[in-house]
Amino acid sequence: ETGVTQTPRHLVMGMTNKKSLKCEQHLGHNAMYWYKQSAKKPLELMFVYNFKEQTENNSVPSRFSPECPNSSHLFLHLHTLQPEDSALYLCASSPGLAPAYNEQFFGPGTRLTVL
Amino acid sequence: GENVEQHPSTLSVQEGDSAVIKCTYSDSASNYFPWYKQELGKGPQLIIDIRSNVGEKKDQRIAVTLNKTAKHFSLHITETQPEDSAVYFCAAVLTGGGNKLTFGTGTQLKVEL
Repeated sequence: ETGVTQTPRHLVMGMTNKKSLKCEQHLGHNAMYWYKQSAKKPLELMFVYNFKEQTENNSVPSRFSPECPNSSHLFLHLHTLQPEDSALYLCASSPGLAPAYNEQFFGPGTRLTVL
Repeated sequence: GENVEQHPSTLSVQEGDSAVIKCTYSDSASNYFPWYKQELGKGPQLIIDIRSNVGEKKDQRIAVTLNKTAKHFSLHITETQPEDSAVYFCAAVLTGGGNKLTFGTGTQLKVEL
């Protein structure tokens, strides 16, 4: 496997379910990101981790809970979501957060549908 | 914070023609401007980027220009091909902003045969 992988690729869940999205990067990067992509809207940054530490929480509701056990893996735990949370969730990574490491590499995303 | 506006939202060109997508940004402290291409069912992929100390950058059929004074930057694709059909996003990063990308709303480019 190379690059950034995400599983599952598609997920349908009810409002009372608990599920998790997984992201893994094989690039040796130290920074990882979660983005939400909704139709007709810009990609929205949700969380940033650098060396496993969260450096950014962009006012995301607590029903989204990130976890970064190491620099290669990032999870997004989902609990009691709303239908408006249906979107494509994208994971990305970069070598670091310094200006020299601006380029971010994206995974294919998880298409989430909340019923 | 940063705000990025992107136009047009849709663009249709004939194969072989050129395509231009424009973005404006609000914060003069932005210093890095990438362009991403997103094909159906895939995540965004970086195609070209430019830093604030450069006015133009070219890579084969694609080029990006930056006007810092006017706070706008543009993507130019020449000799378009059907495989160029995708959604293109511009983005900006604030100096000292922790590498947070602020994206435009995207342009759906369709290259017609």
